Amino acid sequence: AQSVTQPDIHITVSEGASLELRCNYSYGATPYLFWYVQSPGQGLQLLLKYFSGDTLVQGIKGFEAEFKRSQSSFNLRKPSVHWSDAAEYFCAVGRPGFNKFYFGSGTKLNVKP
Amino acid sequence: EPEVTQTPSHQVTQMGQEVILRCVPISNHLYFYWYRQILGQKVEFLVSFYNNEISEKSEIFDDQFSVERPDGSNFTLKIRSTKLEDSAMYFCASSGGASLGETQYFGPGTRLLVL
Repeated sequence: AQSVTQPDIHITVSEGASLELRCNYSYGATPYLFWYVQSPGQGLQLLLKYFSGDTLVQGIKGFEAEFKRSQSSFNLRKPSVHWSDAAEYFCAVGRPGFNKFYFGSGTKLNVKP
Repeated sequence: EPEVTQTPSHQVTQMGQEVILRCVPISNHLYFYWYRQILGQKVEFLVSFYNNEISEKSEIFDDQFSVERPDGSNFTLKIRSTKLEDSAMYFCASSGGASLGETQYFGPGTRLLVL
């Protein structure tokens, strides 16, 4: 069965520091991979997605993620965090041929001034 | 930028009551979805809807749940007789096509509290 694990429930980083949010998935083939962000009172906004090709994908707001098949991971990174990045981040996996997503439990990011 | 909207943002109801959660998907999208997130748990798929019928549903989506596209703009989720365990954040999403090459765009959610 498909599953998505985000091992970090809460992360706190200082503004300007680098960030890496972890995501591991369980799936028998190459999945479609997504990162969404949710700010308080807002919907889930797509940051980036991976379907195929270059394993390093660039997204909005300066985020990037790297698909590593050998580690079944799709970690989200940002070189320098801004206070406005404080939000909850969700990793999601989709199966080719199906149109539903499987979500991780989310990582809440706090940014210290 | 077009967005998915949901109403109400919060709903409090008594156990056993019916609730209808409303969503306005992005206007040219064809596929519609409901997900829910119980507090502290994962976002879970409930149902997908295309061409006026359910295309896929999860085991959560039992006979107490129904979806409808009553007109050209709204997409609703009805819970006939709410239970305490239905308390959750409910997200609506829409996409242009069934292929996952099409991104799902999510609304802000409706927080449902069943007392």
